[in-house]
Amino acid sequence: GAVVSQHPSWVICKSGTSVKIECRSLDFQATTMFWYRQFPKQSLMLMATSNEGSKATYEQGVEKDKFLINHASLTLSTLTVTSAHPEDSSFYICSARDNYNYGYTFGSGTRLTVV
Amino acid sequence: DQQVKQNSPSLSVQEGRISILNCDYTNSMFDYFLWYKKYPAEGPTFLISISSIKDKNEDGRFTVFLNKSAKHLSLHIVPSQPGDSAVYFCAASTQGGSEKLVFGKGTKLTVNP
Repeated sequence: GAVVSQHPSWVICKSGTSVKIECRSLDFQATTMFWYRQFPKQSLMLMATSNEGSKATYEQGVEKDKFLINHASLTLSTLTVTSAHPEDSSFYICSARDNYNYGYTFGSGTRLTVV
Repeated sequence: DQQVKQNSPSLSVQEGRISILNCDYTNSMFDYFLWYKKYPAEGPTFLISISSIKDKNEDGRFTVFLNKSAKHLSLHIVPSQPGDSAVYFCAASTQGGSEKLVFGKGTKLTVNP
């Protein structure tokens, strides 16, 4: 079945540094990938839609300069949290949509802790 | 305004019995619905989906029912097993599922042995 690899699975970083999270579709092509953030006891909130070869579409309230998204190929999207702060600590999940059947496959998530 | 609502944050069921998880939506443009299961510190796993042209879809122990007039769907798990204990998210999409997913807040299911 379709597999999405998300790396790293967890990361601890210092305030003010940047962290890059990768999302790869391993056996299918995905023109569109999605980045979600999950808060404790809350739903998955869509942060942005990543489109291969073009700029990402950010949801209202998401700082595009802080959460940089790059989708350079049909199998890879990256999310970079710039100048991280403790309030950015969260669980980030990516999802890739299969170009062929439009099925969604989620990555395993990345736990970010900013200290 | 939350377009997909799961009003029960938690549900506790005995092993072997039926688990019923409910989901309501407000956007009449939604025409594709999905259920995801999520364990702590993992990404959601797709369980089952249903198109608005159907009112029922079954896959093993999992059945999803859709009531379009009431804008309500439910996930039935029979029989429930302790390994089913997880958070279940309802999600909806438009244009046959080709657009972004809108998630509910999730329901934590606990199946007691």
